[in-house]
Amino acid sequence: GAVVSQHPSRVICKSGTSVKIECRSLDFQATTMFWYRQFPKQSLMLMATSNEGSKATYEQGVEKDKFLINHASLTLSTLTVTSAHPEDSSFYICSARYGKETQYFGPGTRLLVL
Amino acid sequence: EDKVVQSPLSLVVHEGDTVTLNCSYEVTNFRSLLWYKQEKKAPTFLFMLTSSGIEKKSGRLSSILDKKELFSILNITATQTGDSAVYLCAVGTGTASKLTFGTGTRLQVTL
Repeated sequence: GAVVSQHPSRVICKSGTSVKIECRSLDFQATTMFWYRQFPKQSLMLMATSNEGSKATYEQGVEKDKFLINHASLTLSTLTVTSAHPEDSSFYICSARYGKETQYFGPGTRLLVL
Repeated sequence: EDKVVQSPLSLVVHEGDTVTLNCSYEVTNFRSLLWYKQEKKAPTFLFMLTSSGIEKKSGRLSSILDKKELFSILNITATQTGDSAVYLCAVGTGTASKLTFGTGTRLQVTL
């Protein structure tokens, strides 16, 4: 149980385009999902908390107009990187909260912006 | 600002050795401490600890939390090459249980 999927696993796009990443909880409902970013050999940095049916809560320094989050159902949250630039290239990981405390992670999406 | 510090940053051991990984934290509104194992992709869940002094165990891995001294340890006994990974400690805080991650300990187990 507690499986989280992410799609796509890898994406390459041109600078200026937008990229959408999906995060799904497959066998449980998640009112809260989280989006993280991880640079090589660094730890996970929380970008935003995604709440089903309401606006996402962004961490300090994360532009909400650049990283659009939609949590339209109890099993799906999406992150759209708008007008992507090479500095947005990174590993993006989502997690879904299962129960009160534990977060289970998706397999991640590697984004490369050319 | 919430802070989670892990030590050592990296470690190389021989197969069969026992290792202890450390995690200390300074946070407001502590709720839980979690350990994850990260190999090539996203972290996989190992343990969640909320109470002091109660050891959690899964096979060769075990972990314990000390809420007075604000730290946790993760023990791995009889290490195997498959234990090679980055081990992440994360502390959950606030009503949303946001996780703040440490930088991780990179463990390499050699033959």
